[in-house]
Amino acid sequence: DIQMTQSPSSLSASVGDRVTITCRASQIITIYLNWYQQKPGKAPRLLIYAASSLQSGVPSRFSGSGSGTDFTLTISSLQPEDFATYFCQQSYITPYTFGQGTNLEIK
Amino acid sequence: EVQLVQSEAEVRKPGESLRISCKASGYSFTTYWIGWVRQMPGKGLEWMGIINPSDSDTTYSPSFQGQVTISADKSITTAYLQWSSLKASDTAIYYCARKGQQFHQVDYWGQGTLVTVSS
Repeated sequence: DIQMTQSPSSLSASVGDRVTITCRASQIITIYLNWYQQKPGKAPRLLIYAASSLQSGVPSRFSGSGSGTDFTLTISSLQPEDFATYFCQQSYITPYTFGQGTNLEIK
Repeated sequence: EVQLVQSEAEVRKPGESLRISCKASGYSFTTYWIGWVRQMPGKGLEWMGIINPSDSDTTYSPSFQGQVTISADKSITTAYLQWSSLKASDTAIYYCARKGQQFHQVDYWGQGTLVTVSS
């Protein structure tokens, strides 16, 4: 299986901050990298697919970049509703493995 | 509107069998693969396997191969996840997930089914 490693595991930030989460794959996955947001008690929500494509309806403050093995999710100006857990996922080869998650908390 | 509606929460004893369901609507069921994802209490997301509803071609994660069975009934646009003998360690929320066609992202999720296995 392809291993996905996210960092950091947790992060404290304030409203208005710029935040970056990184994800590294254990082998090359080209641009088959997706980002999801999950709030407590809810199903995950797709934010970014194909490394940098914004899913319809997702605010433009979310952006993704990277290719190969190293990827980033950036939130340009944190809003109160952005405090959640974020997961990366590779969809290059099954099983489509996820990173361990990054818990974004209010400072 | 695309919807994946899962069956209600279940409580079972160890050793019992169970099948949970995921009813799809709002799109052509046989055009998109459906996957299942496990989330154990307080933990991350784990990909279990995926099925092509068109021909029931199924691929399992090695971690779940032989532990669960994924199936689909295209006549009623429903996918299933089943266990023949549950363990306490199967306690988790299970999500069904529609896989996008080009980049295989999960573009729609079910609301999740909580399965509790306890004696």
